[in-house]
Amino acid sequence: EAGVAQSPRYKIIEKRQSVAFWCNPISGHATLYWYQQILGQGPKLLIQFQNNGVVDDSQLPKDRFSAERLKGVDSTLKIQPAKLEDSAVYLCASSLGTWSSYNEQFFGPGTRLTVL
Amino acid sequence: DAKTTQPTSMDCAEGRAANLPCNHSTISGNEYVYWYRQIHSQGPQYIIHGLKNNETNEMASLIITEDRKSSTLILPHATLRDTAVYYCIVGTSGSRLTFGEGTQLTVNP
Repeated sequence: EAGVAQSPRYKIIEKRQSVAFWCNPISGHATLYWYQQILGQGPKLLIQFQNNGVVDDSQLPKDRFSAERLKGVDSTLKIQPAKLEDSAVYLCASSLGTWSSYNEQFFGPGTRLTVL
Repeated sequence: DAKTTQPTSMDCAEGRAANLPCNHSTISGNEYVYWYRQIHSQGPQYIIHGLKNNETNEMASLIITEDRKSSTLILPHATLRDTAVYYCIVGTSGSRLTFGEGTQLTVNP
């Protein structure tokens, strides 16, 4: 079974530029998550989708971050404009289940963003 | 969600059991204990979860105390490939995973 795919794996940009990350979850997984992991810290959830609807974006900095999952499959996370403190690994994860039941989350390898 | 407390780091000899503790004294009755690990430069990986009873799978065992205020993850025969950051997370079924800083386990040859 193919895992969660993410691209690019690495990205270096200058502050105030924009950047986009792409995620393709495991086939059949209804729930998709984007996490931000700053060096030395645990991952922090940015946004959770159930199919193509948002169920939790309470920790997403909406003035600069946006995410979409148009057809309920793959997803894009965008930062515009980027700040130095956005330097982090952006992880995508997916799970089978619905909001009301626990399902194991499968993580992709992440995209390492460096903002100069 | 209840907060968890884990040691910052632990060492273990290869082939020996690794016992990783986690305190979650404010856990609620409907909250599960989940364990994930993150090997360097990879995404986190699910290990095991439990509510009240002890659980075992092919990767590890989870021992939850009777009062549910603490738990221990046991890797019965640690290998070098088990070197990773181990996260103990408490939450309700379907809730977001709130990762702390975890325990850096180093398995030494």
